[in-house]
Amino acid sequence: AQKITQTQPGMFVQEKEAVTLDCTYDTSDPSYGLFWYKQPSSGEMIFLIYQGSYDQQNATEGRYSLNFQKARKSANLVISASQLGDSAMYFCAMRERYSGGYQKVTFGTGTKLQVIP
Amino acid sequence: ETGVTQSPTHLIKTRGQQVTLRCSSQSGHNTVSWYQQALGQGPQFIFQYYREEENGRGNFPPRFSGLQFPNYSSELNVNALELDDSALYLCASSLALGQQNTEAFFGQGTRLTVV
Repeated sequence: AQKITQTQPGMFVQEKEAVTLDCTYDTSDPSYGLFWYKQPSSGEMIFLIYQGSYDQQNATEGRYSLNFQKARKSANLVISASQLGDSAMYFCAMRERYSGGYQKVTFGTGTKLQVIP
Repeated sequence: ETGVTQSPTHLIKTRGQQVTLRCSSQSGHNTVSWYQQALGQGPQFIFQYYREEENGRGNFPPRFSGLQFPNYSSELNVNALELDDSALYLCASSLALGQQNTEAFFGQGTRLTVV
């Protein structure tokens, strides 16, 4: 099974509207972390939001919120009030820990978001 | 800007050669990770270093090796370059606090082309 699945290769959203980018994950590590990153065409990877597996509350950072449904193993990113500058690739990623503190990070295949004026 | 600096920004190498990529992590960060991102794909985790020791590795062959220095800067070395090694190589630094990492901040990447 894929560790991280992003099923939406591309999404369109009208400016000022909200949009949800889907992410599901699969892990047996009880202490995992989930991240969302934005990658504009310039190539840099920009951290958006983090959710730890034991966090009780959904993470929020400004216009970004993470809809964390642990039982369903989903961690969808919600962007409110979309702006033209939000047009970019969005990646969901998961950090897993193994014995001895060893860890591994897996990224999804990404969703290309385009904001329409 | 994140404070993570990678050099060089672009590089062209010939198949079979060796390459060294460098990364200066953000001040105060003790953990550095390296990723390979092929065109149109998500980043693939190569390995992670914490306090000069490798503490995580993805599915990459041994010809991909790394180092972390006492100042937490890092190098990625790739031997016997293959055409498929052409990609954007990203370095990310973070701060490990007990069992949790803070968010990782990425550099701008090194674009490696193997011909």
